[in-house]
Amino acid sequence: GAVVSQHPSWVICKSGTSVKIECRSLDFQATTMFWYRQFPKQSLMLMATSNEGSKATYEQGVEKDKFLINHASLTLSTLTVTSAHPEDSSFYICSARGSLDYEQYFGPGTRLTVT
Amino acid sequence: GQNIDQPTEMTATEGAIVQINCTYQTSGFNGLFWYQQHAGEAPTFLSYNVLDGLEEKGRFSSFLSRSKGYSYLLLKELQMKDSASYLCAVRDSNYQLIWGAGTKLIIKP
Repeated sequence: GAVVSQHPSWVICKSGTSVKIECRSLDFQATTMFWYRQFPKQSLMLMATSNEGSKATYEQGVEKDKFLINHASLTLSTLTVTSAHPEDSSFYICSARGSLDYEQYFGPGTRLTVT
Repeated sequence: GQNIDQPTEMTATEGAIVQINCTYQTSGFNGLFWYQQHAGEAPTFLSYNVLDGLEEKGRFSSFLSRSKGYSYLLLKELQMKDSASYLCAVRDSNYQLIWGAGTKLIIKP
């Protein structure tokens, strides 16, 4: 089956610094990638949808200047959390959609802790 | 507004059968998905229904009734490793996935 990787799997950073998370589709071309955030014991919350080569579409309430998304190729999307604060600590998950419209494969997630 | 309801938590016994229900009200319908998520891990795809009826895949089956806005996930021959959260998600007319809050399934020996 299709594989999506994320890097890093976990990261600890200091308040005020920026963190970049990479999401790669390893064996298929992902025309659309999704970024989710999940707080403990809560469901997934879609942050943004990105299509290769175009600007990401952010969900209401998600600051686009704080969560920078770049989908530069059909296999790579990056999420940069800028000027991170402790409240940004969360589990960030990407998913990628392939050629069949119902396929959406999830990466393993990145646990971000901001101290 | 768009809404997906599923029970918060369910408990079942190893070897038994459990049915997790999901009801939805969305703007448009382009398929319903079930995902399994173990604690601290990303969701994994279980099933996809777009037409009414039952889809069987091994120990797991998923049912859909579009007229009733209703689906269920049926898990048979429960194993301890099935302890996880089960997420119901509906794709709306904009092809956006609308997520339920998830059902935490606890399996007891």
